[in-house]
Amino acid sequence: NAGVTQTPKFQVLKTGQSMTLQCAQDMNHNSMYWYRQDPGMGLRLIYYSASEGTTDKGEVPNGYNVSRLNKREFSLRLESAAPSQTSVYFCASSSTGNPQPQHFGDGTRLSIL
Amino acid sequence: DQQVKQNSPSLSVQEGRISILNCDYTNSMFDYFLWYKKYPAEGPTFLISISSIKDKNEDGRFTVFLNKSAKHLSLHIVPSQPGDSAVYFCAASGFGKLTFGTGTRLTIIP
Repeated sequence: NAGVTQTPKFQVLKTGQSMTLQCAQDMNHNSMYWYRQDPGMGLRLIYYSASEGTTDKGEVPNGYNVSRLNKREFSLRLESAAPSQTSVYFCASSSTGNPQPQHFGDGTRLSIL
Repeated sequence: DQQVKQNSPSLSVQEGRISILNCDYTNSMFDYFLWYKKYPAEGPTFLISISSIKDKNEDGRFTVFLNKSAKHLSLHIVPSQPGDSAVYFCAASGFGKLTFGTGTRLTIIP
């Protein structure tokens, strides 16, 4: 059971470089989410997609863009990476209906130098 | 402004005893509450939830209590086992999104 798969698991970037974090789920979930986790901050929502074809901003969207490529895939793009974006990024998915527990991937650890 | 707060960053409990993790929230519009467990280098995994219309939900060793008037919820783990050592996040659901607390690191002492 793959569940939610995130790639890559680790990445080091230089300031100003761009990168796309990939996420795919095989549970036929409608909703998908991107979070970042920083020490002492918990998980903060960056963007989410309630259904295929829609995306909305979360709590901390600045510096990021997303694409809901199809029902399975939801990518997060950093156009010009900054040291403040050093974090662990988690993708999650859930069924439709409130509320449904979100299922998380194992994260991407991103360092911006 | 932190809408969901876990004021204890860490907690140590003897194996076999009860672990009690606490969470406070400020937004009365939250209608569902969840607890997640997280091991190092893994994503959070769903543990247990409770609707705002209930005051207790039990699942095996795990029980969540909700006090709406105090805007407080707690997770009880009885008996605590070494495998329960992890970071626990509470989360509140509102308008289709989750707001997470900052987490409590639980250590079970053998």
